[in-house]
Amino acid sequence: NAGVTQTPKFRVLKTGQSMTLLCAQDMNHEYMYWYRQDPGMGLRLIHYSVGEGTTAKGEVPDGYNVSRLKKQNFLLGLESAAPSQTSVYFCAGRSGDGYTFGSGTRLTVV
Amino acid sequence: DQQVKQNSPSLSVQEGRISILNCDYTNSMFDYFLWYKKYPAEGPTFLISISSIKDKNEDGRFTVFLNKSAKHLSLHIVPSQPGDSAVYFCAASAWSGNTPLVFGKGTRLSVIA
Repeated sequence: NAGVTQTPKFRVLKTGQSMTLLCAQDMNHEYMYWYRQDPGMGLRLIHYSVGEGTTAKGEVPDGYNVSRLKKQNFLLGLESAAPSQTSVYFCAGRSGDGYTFGSGTRLTVV
Repeated sequence: DQQVKQNSPSLSVQEGRISILNCDYTNSMFDYFLWYKKYPAEGPTFLISISSIKDKNEDGRFTVFLNKSAKHLSLHIVPSQPGDSAVYFCAASAWSGNTPLVFGKGTRLSVIA
């Protein structure tokens, strides 16, 4: 039982490049979330999904897009990466009493 | 405007003593509160939660207290152990309304042996 799995774990992008972060879960979560963590800023919500085929904006959605074509996968896309998107990204799924987080993706944009 | 505030970026405590981490919130619609623990290079892990219908929840060495009138909650760790050294995040939500968790900025706890 893998839980919530994020790939890749690390990535370095050049400004303007695009990439997709994958979150896969085997816990039957209906609700899934993408957060970013920056020093001194805590965890800030980027986008979330309340079910297959649905997405919604969070607190800091600009520069990101998401898709939830299948219940078990929640993808976070950066169309044109900027240095301000250098961060650690966490995916989470909602269970009965809280969220289960993945181990994170550390992204550096140079 | 921050809805969940952790005003102490760091806290240092001697092993065996009590650690008290504080959290304030502003949104009166929040009805569920959680604490997460995070080690470096790992995702946050759930520690303990409390519903707004309670004022205390205890799980082993960890106790969370909720003061709704003051919009304040605290996490007590007794006794503190070196393995408790981590960043602790307070989070809140209008859980019954399925709104996403809002996190504080975190408090880094260092337990000194």
